[in-house]
Amino acid sequence: GAGVSQSPSNKVTEKGKDVELRCDPISGHTALYWYRQSLGQGLEFLIYFQGNSAPDKSGLPSDRFSAERTGGSVSTLTIQRTQQEDSAVYLCASSLAGIRGYEQYFGPGTRLTVT
Amino acid sequence: RKEVEQDPGPFNVPEGATVAFNCTYSNSASQSFFWYRQDCRKEPKLLMSVYSSGNEDGRFTAQLNRASQYISLLIRDSKLSDSATYLCAAHPGTASKLTFGTGTRLQVTL
Repeated sequence: GAGVSQSPSNKVTEKGKDVELRCDPISGHTALYWYRQSLGQGLEFLIYFQGNSAPDKSGLPSDRFSAERTGGSVSTLTIQRTQQEDSAVYLCASSLAGIRGYEQYFGPGTRLTVT
Repeated sequence: RKEVEQDPGPFNVPEGATVAFNCTYSNSASQSFFWYRQDCRKEPKLLMSVYSSGNEDGRFTAQLNRASQYISLLIRDSKLSDSATYLCAAHPGTASKLTFGTGTRLQVTL
């Protein structure tokens, strides 16, 4: 079946501009996660949505970052007034609920470059 | 101390060798563990899940040691195509998030 999809695959933006990144999770997956990964670094957790519960925003690095998930499916991550340090690959993952619900499946990522 | 720690490597091994990586976790409530493989400039892909003492899939074996709070990944008969970064992740078993290690890089050579 279809995996997690993300768009755009690449985004180049000027410092100070806003960007929106999109994630389409695997159909039926109730949990959705956003991470970012800088070159050669590990995964940095950003935000986690689980069903209708309030999202866990504990990883968002500043108030310039926000995310929403509409209808329990598609999610958008918005970065306002982008800075050069925001350049990274932004990865989305989704999982089912339940004991196997913690097996996360990743999308191909959006490579963001802020010039 | 990081919640999940891994030796970054790189581990350089010849083709055909057996190699093992360890991953330690600090949260004793962790219930589920995962190994992911990440190729350069690609997304992580789930390799193995560990819910009890261990798991085996072909050349790959994962072992969980709850007393010492680590999980290991053993790769037998290494192939050139096994060259990648291997990420370990732990989950506390509640409505929470996975915590990832920073990965161990493996380079298999001729």
